[in-house]
Amino acid sequence: AQRVTQPEKLLSVFKGAPVELKCNYSYSGSPELFWYVQYSRQRLQLLLRHISRESIKGFTADLNKGETSFHLKKPFAQEEDSAMYYCALLLTGGFKTIFGAGTRLFVKA
Amino acid sequence: SQTIHQWPATLVQPVGSPLSLECTVEGTSNPNLYWYRQAAGRGLQLLFYSVGIGQISSEVPQNLSASRPQDRQFILSSKKLLLSDSGFYLCACTGTGYEQYFGPGTRLTVT
Repeated sequence: AQRVTQPEKLLSVFKGAPVELKCNYSYSGSPELFWYVQYSRQRLQLLLRHISRESIKGFTADLNKGETSFHLKKPFAQEEDSAMYYCALLLTGGFKTIFGAGTRLFVKA
Repeated sequence: SQTIHQWPATLVQPVGSPLSLECTVEGTSNPNLYWYRQAAGRGLQLLFYSVGIGQISSEVPQNLSASRPQDRQFILSSKKLLLSDSGFYLCACTGTGYEQYFGPGTRLTVT
């Protein structure tokens, strides 16, 4: 069955430290993965997607099919990165997206 | 780009009362539309999705139903609310690259 696992509910780091939010998926089809972010009092919004291979707000994520992972990384965390982050898997056909349980990132000054 | 509107923003309803949450979309036509429930520690649970007017797919058997009377209108309903229906409900539509655009959400408290 398809599944997205984010093992950490809460991740706390100091400003300037590297951060990695883990995401693992289970899917028999060709995976298309996304990271979404929800800042305080804002809507849930797309952060990045693996096929675009771009860096958004200093964040990158690489799809590792061998390890079935799509971890989100940033070399130097900023306080404004504090938010809820969701990893998501788009199922073949494009109609349905499966979300992980989310990781709350807290960046301390 | 797409903009999703949802109302009301918050709602407090007694057990057994009916429910109607509305979602409208601007900036696109014939969108795929979705209702999710967001619960702390459990992520987003897909409740319903629609690929066109009158076409509704239900993901989870429950006390809720959905309807799509117009191309850019999606409604979440219940005839009789349960305590377990309390939660944060999100409407979403799909962009050209299948990314999801979300509304601001409705916080429902059933008392």
